[in-house]
Amino acid sequence: EAGVTQFPSHSVIEKGQTVTLRCDPISGHDNLYWYRRVMGKEIKFLLHFVKESKQDESGMPNNRFLAERTGGTYSTLKVQPAELEDSGVYFCASSHPPGVNTEAFFGQGTRLTVV
Amino acid sequence: QKEVEQDPGPLSVPEGAIVSLNCTYSNSAFQYFMWYRQYSRKGPELLMYTYSSGNKEDGRFTAQVDKSSKYISLFIRDSQPSDSATYLCAMSAYSGAGSYQLTFGKGTKLSVIP
Repeated sequence: EAGVTQFPSHSVIEKGQTVTLRCDPISGHDNLYWYRRVMGKEIKFLLHFVKESKQDESGMPNNRFLAERTGGTYSTLKVQPAELEDSGVYFCASSHPPGVNTEAFFGQGTRLTVV
Repeated sequence: QKEVEQDPGPLSVPEGAIVSLNCTYSNSAFQYFMWYRQYSRKGPELLMYTYSSGNKEDGRFTAQVDKSSKYISLFIRDSQPSDSATYLCAMSAYSGAGSYQLTFGKGTKLSVIP
């Protein structure tokens, strides 16, 4: 079974540009999460999809970030326009419905560098 | 005060040593407690998952949760060089928005020296 896959693995963009990150969850996982780790900080929750619906987007830092999950399969996270403080590693995770003994499987992350 | 505190280390031990990793937390609503292992340039991988106070053992790994003290631990027995990684504690509680978002510690970088 394929794991959670993220594209690209690394992106370097200039301040003010737009970047789109993609996540392909494990097949059959309705729940998809985005997390972010900025340098020296903890991994922080960004948002949670159940199928194509945003269940919880309380962690999104501002309106420069737009997440979509059309059709309830893969998800994209767009940053427009990117700022220097957006640099970090963006992780995607997927799982079956949350509850006892539900494991969230993480992708390898996309390392975003804004210069 | 951060919700989850974890000493980032680094921690260096000789092969075969017992490793103790710890986290404290402040949010009483946390119900699920996890330990993730993360190798360099990889995503976090779930090691241990506990729901209540007490101990849970899996091979060389033992997770402890003390809800009264808001303290969780991970013990690694007979540590191996392949255990060298960053260990992240994570916790979750129902967010009220239908989500069990994870709250992570900073992670402790462990090196096991042959």
